[in-house]
Amino acid sequence: NAGVTQTPKFRVLKTGQSMTLLCAQDMNHEYMYWYRQDPGMGLRLIHYSVGEGTTAKGEVPDGYNVSRLKKQNFLLGLESAAPSQTSVYFCASSLGNEKLFFGSGTQLSVL
Amino acid sequence: TQLLEQSPQFLSIQEGENLTVYCNSSSVFSSLQWYRQEPGEGPVLLVTVVTGGEVKKLKRLTFQFGDARKDSSLHITAAQPGDTGLYLCAGLTTSGTYKYIFGTGTRLKVLA
Repeated sequence: NAGVTQTPKFRVLKTGQSMTLLCAQDMNHEYMYWYRQDPGMGLRLIHYSVGEGTTAKGEVPDGYNVSRLKKQNFLLGLESAAPSQTSVYFCASSLGNEKLFFGSGTQLSVL
Repeated sequence: TQLLEQSPQFLSIQEGENLTVYCNSSSVFSSLQWYRQEPGEGPVLLVTVVTGGEVKKLKRLTFQFGDARKDSSLHITAAQPGDTGLYLCAGLTTSGTYKYIFGTGTRLKVLA
């Protein structure tokens, strides 16, 4: 069982470059989430989706965009990367009010 | 913004000691979850507490949800090196949609 798969696992960007992180889940979950994890700050919600074609802002949405064109995929985009976006990014999915299933994370460095 | 504060932020103890981790908020949550995260991996669910005052046990781990559903605690009895990891609490909000707000995390190291 694949569960939640994130690609890529590591990436280094220069300031101003753009990139897209891909999250795929094979559990037919309606809800998908993007979090960033920084030391001492736990996980902070960037954007989330309650179903195909829907997206909503979380706690720290600035500088990020998302799309959910297919139920199984949730994309996180950085249009113009900044050093403050250096972080570990986690995607998660759930049925709603049950547990979150997480991917293994993407470590992003912006120089 | 709803905040979940965890304390302590770091904890280093000897094998066999007991410890308690706290998760506090000024907001009410529908439920509260505890996750454990290993290096290089995503968090994994340990337990969900739903009812105010609820206590759940998972082997040597005891979880409690506050009566007002604003806070929670995790108590580990006779800690073992295998308990080492990052512990995260997460509150579920249900104002229209389901959102999980995570705490600031407690990094535990148990020394053999």
